[in-house]
Amino acid sequence: GEDVEQSLFLSVREGDSSVINCTYTDSSSTYLYWYKQEPGAGLQLLTYIFSNMDMKQDQRLTVLLNKKDKHLSLRIADTQTGDSAIYFCAEAYSGGYQKVTFGIGTKLQVIP
Amino acid sequence: EPEVTQTPSHQVTQMGQEVILRCVPISNHLYFYWYRQILGQKVEFLVSFYNNEISEKSEIFDDQFSVERPDGSNFTLKIRSTKLEDSAMYFCASSEGQSSTDTQYFGPGTRLTVL
Repeated sequence: GEDVEQSLFLSVREGDSSVINCTYTDSSSTYLYWYKQEPGAGLQLLTYIFSNMDMKQDQRLTVLLNKKDKHLSLRIADTQTGDSAIYFCAEAYSGGYQKVTFGIGTKLQVIP
Repeated sequence: EPEVTQTPSHQVTQMGQEVILRCVPISNHLYFYWYRQILGQKVEFLVSFYNNEISEKSEIFDDQFSVERPDGSNFTLKIRSTKLEDSAMYFCASSEGQSSTDTQYFGPGTRLTVL
């Protein structure tokens, strides 16, 4: 079945770049997502990438996809304290009603 | 910007009681979903719903769960007889369509605590 793995915790200094990594198993995934969850809030869609793309850039966010290795990363440039949150990697598999499979979430701590 | 809303934000109930979690999806969306996140675990898919019927459900979504769209705006998840292990954050989501190009938008969640 589908599975998404990511590390639990990342700590960076304000102004540095953050890189959050994720691996997935479902080769039929069509879209891969990054969601952000701030304390007490819901899941906010940050960005997504179609599985036939290698890279997508959106302001401070860069998503890299290595389809061969089934590896996805999210780079946040010039990380700010407001970026502190849990970041979920997720995939949508193409075989059904867009059931989204989530990773456990990486908690990003930004140190001032 | 349109958003998915959920009520209540926190529900506390006694084991064995029935609870109804409510969601108002984005108005032009046709597909609706429930997910749950037990503390410290992954967000898990429960059920998807379209055209007044369940499209897909996970093995978690057993007979004690039901979903309903009672009117043109609300989408509810009912748990008939709550168990301690039902304590979790429950997220509602909606999307315009059901292909993978139709992104799901999530609500803020309802934290259910079963005592």
